[in-house]
Amino acid sequence: EVVLVESGGGLVQPGGSLRLSCAASGFTFSTYAMSWVRQAPGKGLEWVSAAGGSGASKYYIDSVRGRFAVSRDNSKNTLYLQMTSLTVEDTAIYYCAKGRGASYSRAYFDCWGQGILVTVSS
Amino acid sequence: QSVLTQPPSVSGAPGQRVTISCTGSSSTTGAGSDVHWYQQLPRTAPKLLIYANVDRPSGVPDRFFASKSDTSASLTITGLQAEDEADYYCQSYDNNLRGWVFGGGTKVTVL
Repeated sequence: EVVLVESGGGLVQPGGSLRLSCAASGFTFSTYAMSWVRQAPGKGLEWVSAAGGSGASKYYIDSVRGRFAVSRDNSKNTLYLQMTSLTVEDTAIYYCAKGRGASYSRAYFDCWGQGILVTVSS
Repeated sequence: QSVLTQPPSVSGAPGQRVTISCTGSSSTTGAGSDVHWYQQLPRTAPKLLIYANVDRPSGVPDRFFASKSDTSASLTITGLQAEDEADYYCQSYDNNLRGWVFGGGTKVTVL
């Protein structure tokens, strides 16, 4: 059974930093791309960032590029999201999601973690 | 404003059929990108409902079916049940943005 467990969320002041982790189990972690998807309070889903299986390929939505950094440690089956220069607009539940699909245009998210809340507020 | 457009809400009585549309553009669905659908029950994480335009993961009832045509896609729920009350999101890939995008979500209410 695939299990994804996020951690590292919490309350942070504007301009602050936070690192999220996603511990994965139940599948060969290094074989799959992994993504972060967020959901602001009362809003819809927004894809944020992705890392290819080896970690060499990294992708970001424009609004976080240069502020967030995705990485993964395949020896620990863990995905990370280092978030810096946080703003109130980054307040959301952040989900870790396992990627599937043979290409970018076919990719989807077949398993999701329970999510972790990040609140940016003074 | 989302790159993929969905109606904010749809509703139906138990046993009825509802359809949710998802309209993309030449950079998403019109460019040949697949459409996938997710169900989000209240206060839970999203769950994959349909992938590759029409396929259901194991365990998803065949009451849920989807289609795609050029720039648009749709999700249909037949025999609507109280447990289907949730938010539904479509998702695809945007060649211009070079990233994955979601529709704004559709709230399904069972009357």
